[in-house]
Amino acid sequence: EVQLVESGGGLVQPGRSLRLSCTASGFTFGDYAMSWVRQAPGKGLEWVGFIRSKAYGGTTEYAASVKGRFTISRDDSKSIAYLQMNSLKTEDTAVYYCTRGRGYSGYVYGDYWGQGTLVTVSS
Amino acid sequence: DIQMTQSPSSLSASVGDRVTITCRASQGISNSLAWYQQKPGKAPKLLLYAASRLESGVPSRFSGSGSGTDYTLTISSLQPEDFATYYCQQYYSTPPLTFGGGTKVEIK
Repeated sequence: EVQLVESGGGLVQPGRSLRLSCTASGFTFGDYAMSWVRQAPGKGLEWVGFIRSKAYGGTTEYAASVKGRFTISRDDSKSIAYLQMNSLKTEDTAVYYCTRGRGYSGYVYGDYWGQGTLVTVSS
Repeated sequence: DIQMTQSPSSLSASVGDRVTITCRASQGISNSLAWYQQKPGKAPKLLLYAASRLESGVPSRFSGSGSGTDYTLTISSLQPEDFATYYCQQYYSTPPLTFGGGTKVEIK
């Protein structure tokens, strides 16, 4: 059974950093792109970024709203994807979901989603 | 960037009704479209991909169609468990991957 479990969320002050983890099981993690999607309270879904599988170079892409502040990485040996969030802003407050990307390279949709982890940026 | 516009943003319907939700892309996306269902407090769930392909385990009352820039999600006979918010997402062009704004299906 495919499972994705996010962790690392919490309350953080503006300007500080936080690292989220997405621990995967039930599939060959290294074969898939992994995406992060967020949802601000009462709002819709917003793609944050993804990391391609090693077969496609393991490269990353980001939404303009987080580029330069957020970094996605992966450890295929541990089946974990990370979202390092720096210089956090109040508008980054959201539930963050990791998703397994089905498709190829970065042309993916999320066929499995984690339960989400809440990040609250507030002083 | 490809913009995805969903309509309506909300609708009220009764059990047994046929429901149609539309997603329009700002440029052609060659059927590279997924639909998700999200219930309150839960993660989104994949319903369809490639515009019309039903994800395994999803009831056949859900269907998708469309081409070019215009796509439709149809629920043939609305069931109580279908009251939720629905999102489309294009994966034709990246970055960025983009979602529609969502359609909330409520009980009439």
